[in-house]
Amino acid sequence: AQSVAQPEDQVNVAEGNPLTVKCTYSVSGNPYLFWYVQYPNRGLQFLLKYITGDNLVKGSYGFEAEFNKSQTSFHLKKPSALVSDSALYFCAVRDIYNQGGKLIFGQGTELSVKP
Amino acid sequence: DTGVSQNPRHKITKRGQNVTFRCDPISEHNRLYWYRQTLGQGPEFLTYFQNEAQLEKSRLLSDRFSAERPKGSFSTLEIQRTEQGDSAMYLCASSSDKVGSYEQYFGPGTRLTVT
Repeated sequence: AQSVAQPEDQVNVAEGNPLTVKCTYSVSGNPYLFWYVQYPNRGLQFLLKYITGDNLVKGSYGFEAEFNKSQTSFHLKKPSALVSDSALYFCAVRDIYNQGGKLIFGQGTELSVKP
Repeated sequence: DTGVSQNPRHKITKRGQNVTFRCDPISEHNRLYWYRQTLGQGPEFLTYFQNEAQLEKSRLLSDRFSAERPKGSFSTLEIQRTEQGDSAMYLCASSSDKVGSYEQYFGPGTRLTVT
């Protein structure tokens, strides 16, 4: 079965410091991976995706993610965190066996950036 | 393009009542998805439409749940005889079926509370 795991329920970072939110995946074949962000009482906003090509993908709001096939990871990163980055972050993998491409989500990581 | 919209944003209902939610996808997107999200969890797939055809339903979607997309545009999700366990955020997402456009765009969600 395909799955993603986010090993940290919460990540705390000081404003201005680099941040990393971890994600590991388990899929057969080549994974299609995504990061979404969710603010309180809001839907999910798409940040970035890895389909193929460069292992470092850049997305919205200065976020980037590094695909590492040998470690089956897709960690989200930002060089300098902002207080406004505080939110819930979800990693997801596209179900390649599913015609419609449904997404399988991790349980989420709450990012808290303190001034 | 105003994004994916959902109505209502909040619904409080008594156990045993029927409720219906509406989703308006991004206009040029022919794929539409419904997910359910409970507190502290990532979204879980419920069902998927390609144009007006419902092509997949999750085992999470009991017989009390029904979804339609009559003209391939907006979609409705109905829950009959609601139970307290149905309390959750119901999220709608849409995507294009163009090659490489695998990301899904989410609406703000409908939060259902069953009392």
